[in-house]
Amino acid sequence: DAGITQSPRHKVTETGTPVTLRCHQTENHRYMYWYRQDPGHGLRLIHYSYGVKDTDKGEVSDGYSVSRSKTEDFLLTLESATSSQTSVYFCAISPGQGQWTQYFGPGTRLLVL
Amino acid sequence: TQLLEQSPQFLSIQEGENLTVYCNSSSVFSSLQWYRQEPGEGPVLLVTVVTGGEVKKLKRLTFQFGDARKDSSLHITAAQPGDTGLYLCAGNQGAQKLVFGQGTRLTINP
Repeated sequence: DAGITQSPRHKVTETGTPVTLRCHQTENHRYMYWYRQDPGHGLRLIHYSYGVKDTDKGEVSDGYSVSRSKTEDFLLTLESATSSQTSVYFCAISPGQGQWTQYFGPGTRLLVL
Repeated sequence: TQLLEQSPQFLSIQEGENLTVYCNSSSVFSSLQWYRQEPGEGPVLLVTVVTGGEVKKLKRLTFQFGDARKDSSLHITAAQPGDTGLYLCAGNQGAQKLVFGQGTRLTINP
């Protein structure tokens, strides 16, 4: 299994508070991704990174920001959490260079009250 | 609108039956992947298909990529309870991003 951890694994927060989710990898893969998973929608890309300090938006990026200051860490921040951001968040990594398989972390279940 | 449409979204069958899950799009993909996800875990790659018309087998699972590289199917023969899970198709359009279908939730009843 690829070495990917996510923290926290579960979080309950209140509307309007900031929340940061962390993804940590030990594989030295170049690409890292944040997805959210909701019933009926599969996985939707929020943001992704193609290198340290290199990030780009996905299809559902509004209300989210990311940072990658080290190869191994990719942070997802909800600046002011809303109930619509209640979801399961998955981090994924990929080596790139023609190998586009993505390896997923265990997920973070977030509930915004 | 979903770029990749999976059907059916839910499927519940008896052990021993056969089934097919479809993944369709109007877009061409350079490759297509199938993932399986179990409750409380992240998706895990089952197979990648790259060439139009390609067929790959993984034990009782058969994956096919359409000739035009716009669609794919997953066929399971003699389904077992261990096949229960969420099956996701994902297409690569030549960039470093994947686009996922909405998933097919499969339940195999003993």
